[in-house]
Amino acid sequence: DGGITQSPKYLFRKEGQNVTLSCEQNLNHDAMYWYRQDPGQGLRLIYYSQIVNDFQKGDIAEGYSVSREKKESFPLTVTSAQKNPTAFYLCASMDRPRGAEAFFGQGTRLTVV
Amino acid sequence: GNSVTQMEGPVTLSEEAFLTINCTYTATGYPSLFWYVQYPGEGLQLLLKATKADDKGSNKGFEATYRKETTSFHLEKGSVQVSDSAVYFCALSGGGGSEKLVFGKGMKLTVNP
Repeated sequence: DGGITQSPKYLFRKEGQNVTLSCEQNLNHDAMYWYRQDPGQGLRLIYYSQIVNDFQKGDIAEGYSVSREKKESFPLTVTSAQKNPTAFYLCASMDRPRGAEAFFGQGTRLTVV
Repeated sequence: GNSVTQMEGPVTLSEEAFLTINCTYTATGYPSLFWYVQYPGEGLQLLLKATKADDKGSNKGFEATYRKETTSFHLEKGSVQVSDSAVYFCALSGGGGSEKLVFGKGMKLTVNP
C-alpha cells in the first residue's frame, strides 16, 4: 500500500540533545513538507522540498535542519538550538501537478524531558 | 505571501445542526483550495478541494465553493453527526507560483448527541 510513514510516534529528548524524526513515502511524490503543530497555532511550516537535493526554509526553520538525499525520505533534525521543541510534528508529501492533495503521516509527538 | 484566515472556534453543536466554517485567503494568481480534517492523535486527511473559481468541492455531505470575488472557501454541512467531531483546516497551494502549502489555524468542532 502506498503511503507516508513517520517514526517514531512518540519521542523524548533531553535538554541539549539533537533528535531526528523520520519521514518516508512510497507515493513517488516530488514535494515533501515538515510542519509543527501547537495548540491554537495551527500548522506552521518548518521546511519543504520540491525535489531531491533541494529544500527551502519555511516560516519557523530556526533550530531545525533537514536533508533530501533520496526522493522517498525527508528526515527532520531538531537541534539543541530549538528552545521550545515540545510539539506534534507532521510530515506531508504532495505530487507537483496543480491542485494535487497532500498526504500526511500520523505524526510524531516530541517531548523534552 | 499567501495566507489563510479561518474561524478558530472551538465550536460545539448538537447532532443534525447546520455547520458553516468561514475561510478567506490572500494569494496572487489562482491558488488551489482545500479543506483537511484531523481526528485526535492523527495526521490530516483531505476532505475536499477546488482548483478554480466557482468550482464546488464536496465529500461526505460537506461542501465548499471557490469564490474568487470574495476570496473565500467556506465549508458547510447541512446536518452534522457525532462522527464529524474533529479539527478542520482550510489550506491553499500554488498561488502566484508559490509551491508552499499554507494552512489556517484550524477549528475544533465537537458534535454532541
